[in-house]
Amino acid sequence: EVQLVESGGDLVQPGRSLRLSCTGSGFTFGDYSMSWVRQAPGKGLEWVGLIRSRAYGGTTEYAASVKGRFTISRDDSRSIAYLQMNSLKTEDTAVYSCMRESGGYWGQGTLVTVSS
Amino acid sequence: DVVMTQSPLSLPVTLGQPASISCRSSQSLVHSDGNTYLNWVQQRPGQSPRRLIYKVSNRDSGVPDRFSGTGSGTDFTLKISRVEAEDVGVYYCLQGTHWPRTFGQGTKVEIK
Repeated sequence: EVQLVESGGDLVQPGRSLRLSCTGSGFTFGDYSMSWVRQAPGKGLEWVGLIRSRAYGGTTEYAASVKGRFTISRDDSRSIAYLQMNSLKTEDTAVYSCMRESGGYWGQGTLVTVSS
Repeated sequence: DVVMTQSPLSLPVTLGQPASISCRSSQSLVHSDGNTYLNWVQQRPGQSPRRLIYKVSNRDSGVPDRFSGTGSGTDFTLKISRVEAEDVGVYYCLQGTHWPRTFGQGTKVEIK
């Protein structure tokens, strides 16, 4: 069974950094591109970014709202995708979920609150 | 960025009756590989999102056949043939053809 589990969400002050993890199981993690999506409280879904599999260069794509501040990476040996978030803003407050595009699998999400 | 526009944003429906949600994109979603990467995602209250439909009309595993997707180019529709209580939630279209990926605003389906 494919499972995606996010972790690392926390309360942080504006301007600080936070790293989220997405751990996959039930599939060969390294074979798949992985995305991050977020949902601010009471709002709709917003795509954050994606990292391609190594077979496709392991390259990344980002939404304009996070480009230059957020970085996605992966450790296929541990079946983990990371979302490094720097220079956090209050508007980054959201539940962050990872998603495997192929098959449409989503994790449960982890809450990031950016507040002073 | 490709703008995805859904309508209506709120959809009160009667149990057992059909429902239809429209999604229009600001650019064609036909990829250079010939595929059209338009997905429909369901989010039930208090739950994580779940993909229902991919590439316009393909149902994901376990999705009831009362859900169907149609459309082409820039105009797409999700239909529920007979709404059941478990269908309450917010439905989003998501385009996977262009970077960055973009979602529609969401359509809230509720029972009258």
